[in-house]
Amino acid sequence: DAGITQSPRYKITETGRQVTLMCHQTWSHSYMFWYRQDLGHGLRLIYYSAAADITDKGEVPDGYVVSRSKTENFPLTLESATRSQTSVYFCASSESGRDQPQHFGDGTRLSIL
Amino acid sequence: GENVEQHPSTLSVQEGDSAVIKCTYSDSASNYFPWYKQELGKRPQLIIDIRSNVGEKKDQRIAVTLNKTAKHFSLHITETQPEDSAVYFCAARGQGGGADGLTFGKGTHLIIQP
Repeated sequence: DAGITQSPRYKITETGRQVTLMCHQTWSHSYMFWYRQDLGHGLRLIYYSAAADITDKGEVPDGYVVSRSKTENFPLTLESATRSQTSVYFCASSESGRDQPQHFGDGTRLSIL
Repeated sequence: GENVEQHPSTLSVQEGDSAVIKCTYSDSASNYFPWYKQELGKRPQLIIDIRSNVGEKKDQRIAVTLNKTAKHFSLHITETQPEDSAVYFCAARGQGGGADGLTFGKGTHLIIQP
């Protein structure tokens, strides 16, 4: 499980600021995912990536930007943070996007004031 | 897109009894159904998964059943122990729309009473 790490673990910022959450995996998994977790909503997919330079939208992509220049990294950027983006963000990876297990990082708790 | 419903939202059972959590999904093309356990402040951890070509899978005290016709799947935990207390999430992965991520249920808070 130590193969996927997220940073920072906690972040407080203000509305309108840009913030980037980092995700790094050492398994060489081709697929990476970003989810947000909110009370009453469970986990919802924001963006995912099938390989370097290939990304696609999930269920709730508005207000977020992703990139994947290297297989091991998948940063998530909030270009202009809003209070509704206060959440716990989880990164995950899998060998493929098909019927392979997804393994989650420890999460980033983001508060936007 | 896929929609996953999970019931109950809270389940309290006596230690040693069995617990059953049920989920339904909407996309008949979904082919992969994992279950995650999440303790407070921790990451979701995969505990068992099942693929659409299998009807049942067991791993010690945990089992999952899948009914493709009815589009529902269930998690069964036998001989529950205090360490089973956590929030459990079901999920489904469909094949449509190009989305390779998981659609999760809203979770079940399992409480094991001593």
